[in-house]
Parts: sequence; C-alpha cells; structure tokens
Amino acid sequence: DQQVKQNSPSLSVQEGRISILNCDYTNSMFDYFLWYKKYPAEGPTFLISISSIKDKNEDGRFTVFLNKSAKHLSLHIVPSQPGDSAVYFCAASDVGGSNYQLIWGAGTKLIIKP
Amino acid sequence: DGGITQSPKYLFRKEGQNVTLSCEQNLNHDAMYWYRQDPGQGLRLIYYSQIVNDFQKGDIAEGYSVSREKKESFPLTVTSAQKNPTAFYLCASSRQGAKQYFGPGTRLTVT
Repeated sequence: DQQVKQNSPSLSVQEGRISILNCDYTNSMFDYFLWYKKYPAEGPTFLISISSIKDKNEDGRFTVFLNKSAKHLSLHIVPSQPGDSAVYFCAASDVGGSNYQLIWGAGTKLIIKP
Repeated sequence: DGGITQSPKYLFRKEGQNVTLSCEQNLNHDAMYWYRQDPGQGLRLIYYSQIVNDFQKGDIAEGYSVSREKKESFPLTVTSAQKNPTAFYLCASSRQGAKQYFGPGTRLTVT
C-alpha cells in the first residue's frame, strides 16, 4: 500500500517553461513533506520542504504547494533549466509524532528540453 | 567540510559472500539510515538508528544486518541470505526531525 504516490514516472518540459511535479499521499497523519532531487549514481539532495501548517513555501525558482484537503502537493520549478533534469522524489513524515522515518514516492524523472 | 561518506563507490562480490558497506558522518546527527534503490524504483528503507547502540528494521531488512557502535558510523552488512543484493545502496543521516542528508551511494554488484 503506497502511502506516497508520484503518478507520473516522467515529465518532459521545454527549457524556460514551468515544470510541475505532483505528489499524492493517503496518510492524514503526515505533517511534513520534502522534495529531493537525484542525479544518476548519486545520493538525493534536499530541495525544499513544507510543514502542514503552511500551504506554500518558496525558495528561489522552487515553490511547493500543499493542499491538505486533497492530500496533494506539487513542486513548481520556474524557469526550468537544463541542470534541473533529474529524478525528483517526494517524501512525507509524521514529525509531530517524533517519527524520524520518511515515506518516499517512486520518483518522477524530469527532462528539460533545450 | 561536513558530510556523509560512503565507501567504496563500486563494490563487486561473488554470490555467497557477506559484504560490509561503510557509512560515516561528521554532521553530529543522531539518526542514521540505510536505503536501497533499484532501477526505476524509489528508496526503500533497510534499517535505521536513532541513537548509538540501537537500531530498527525498515521495510526490507531481511538478509541485512547493521551495527551502531559509534555516533559517526553505521555500517551495513549484506549477507548471503539476501536474495537479490545487487542494487544501489544509500546511507543518510538526520538531526531530530525528518530532513535527511544523503551520502553519494555504493553500487553493489553480486555475481
């Protein structure tokens, strides 16, 4: 039973346009969400996070939106750049319960076309 | 520079042999984790440790063992009981809370 789902295995976007990556979750106890970026044969690197008390968090070109009622979050990258081509993972946690574990989605491969 | 180191980057073993993957961190993090990634899949948790001398099984602990004798170190042993050991292994650490920092990974190939 996947608690965190990234339903698009891949996404292709023109350079300079907006990339939107989506993530759905089923566990209403999740209260902290993170996005990681991963290049092949490397470890994931943290991009941006959001707590359930917010509905938006912004960091430069990256913005994460959280819709708690729909149990949905999305990562917006604007403008998209060639270096953004990578696999993006959504992860969730029940931090309020002092649970250190992250529950991961399967990832979305983002391809930025020149 | 603070960070997480995993060695070696690539590891080759014959079937039936145990192999230990190294993970060291100098971030002074309490919690450490081991994940496995297979092609086209997400990260699956093998073991995690929230404190020295204590560790918990993750979703796919069968065929693996760990130790946490020092705060900085969390080695993972892939035993001969692991049916499909060939994979990319990732170590991570965190302070209290969910944000995890990852090492560069070790690709293990067993033939």
